Amino acid sequence: EAGVAQSPRYKIIEKRQSVAFWCNPISGHATLYWYQQILGQGPKLLIQFQNNGVVDDSQLPKDRFSAERLKGVDSTLKIQPAKLEDSAVYLCASSTQGNSGKLFFGSGTQLSVL
Amino acid sequence: GQQLNQSPQSMFIQEGEDVSMNCTSSSIFNTWLWYKQDPGEGPVLLIALYKAGELTSNGRLTAQFGITRKDSFLNISASIPSDVGIYFCAGKGWSGSEKLVFGKGTKLTVNP
Repeated sequence: EAGVAQSPRYKIIEKRQSVAFWCNPISGHATLYWYQQILGQGPKLLIQFQNNGVVDDSQLPKDRFSAERLKGVDSTLKIQPAKLEDSAVYLCASSTQGNSGKLFFGSGTQLSVL
Repeated sequence: GQQLNQSPQSMFIQEGEDVSMNCTSSSIFNTWLWYKQDPGEGPVLLIALYKAGELTSNGRLTAQFGITRKDSFLNISASIPSDVGIYFCAGKGWSGSEKLVFGKGTKLTVNP
């Protein structure tokens, strides 16, 4: 069974530039999550989708971050414009419908904002 | 918001030793999970706990859901070099809409 796919693996941009990350969840997983993991910290939820609807985006900085999950499968996360403090690993995860907490994570995209 | 305090922050042990780490919450959780993260990878689920007092094993790993519902423990017996990594606890509250909250992690180093 294929895992959660993310791309790119690494991205280096300058502040005020824009960047986009892509995620393809495990086939059949209805719930998709984007997490931000700053160095030395645990993952922090940015947004949670159930199929193509947003369940929780309370911690998403909506003035610069946006995410979509068209057709309820893959998803993109965009940052525009990026700030220095956005440097982090952006992890995508998916799970079957429900609230078990059993998440399957991708390998992440490491973003460096210079 | 909910916060998890995970300790210790880091551990340096010899191969073959047992390891214990714990996580405490400022609020009650109904689900506790333990994940492991290797460098350059996403976290991988180790153990999930859904009932106060529950004790669950996965090979050499054993985790417990605290009776108070505000803490959880993870033990690793007879550590081996591949146990190296960062261990995260994570918890969820009672409401179905509550998000999963992660601790800051315990970094484990195993000396052969």
